[in-house]
Amino acid sequence: KAGVTQTPRYLIKTRGQQVTLSCSPISGHRSVSWYQQTPGQGLQFLFEYFSETQRNKGNFPGRFSGRQFSNSRSEMNVSTLELGDSALYLCASSLGRGDASYEQYFGPGTRLTVT
Amino acid sequence: AQKVTQAQTEISVVEKEDVTLDCVYETRDTTYYLFWYKQPPSGELVFLIRRNSFDEQNEISGRYSWNFQKSTSSFNFTITASQVVDSAVYFCALKGNTGFQKLVFGTGTRLLVSP
Repeated sequence: KAGVTQTPRYLIKTRGQQVTLSCSPISGHRSVSWYQQTPGQGLQFLFEYFSETQRNKGNFPGRFSGRQFSNSRSEMNVSTLELGDSALYLCASSLGRGDASYEQYFGPGTRLTVT
Repeated sequence: AQKVTQAQTEISVVEKEDVTLDCVYETRDTTYYLFWYKQPPSGELVFLIRRNSFDEQNEISGRYSWNFQKSTSSFNFTITASQVVDSAVYFCALKGNTGFQKLVFGTGTRLLVSP
């Protein structure tokens, strides 16, 4: 079974621009979560999608948004990029089904650099 | 609020030594789930283990073992006879019974195993 895939793997953007990151979950997984990892703040939860609906959201500004498609693929968007948005963005998939007990499997991440 | 504390920032050992990574958690949920993930230099988080709050059995998988103690809110991870390939950052994480797939991560422990 293929793992979680994320594209692109690396991205360099300029302040003020916007960016879209993509995540394809493991086949059969319907829950996709996004996390931001920075040296200063560590791993922080952004949001989770299940069956095209956002189920939970972390404490991030509205510039961070996401969506999920009917095939469970997910995208996250960051508008008006700031230098502090430079981070590794990790996507995780799990079976979901509303039960909190399923483990999450992570993709390789997208490393975003904002200059 | 949920919180995970990994007090050890970095541990250095010589190959074949045993090493224990500490994890202390806080939650008000009566049912919760604990996880360990490994993050090698490539960046991808690799799932190692999940433990449910109602199952305090210790677990051993090869050279890895986990000690879950609800009385002290700890979920420690021991690597026996460490190897250079064990060098990575290890994260302990907590998921409550609400909040669906949201993981709360500790700050991680960097393990350096030298030959």
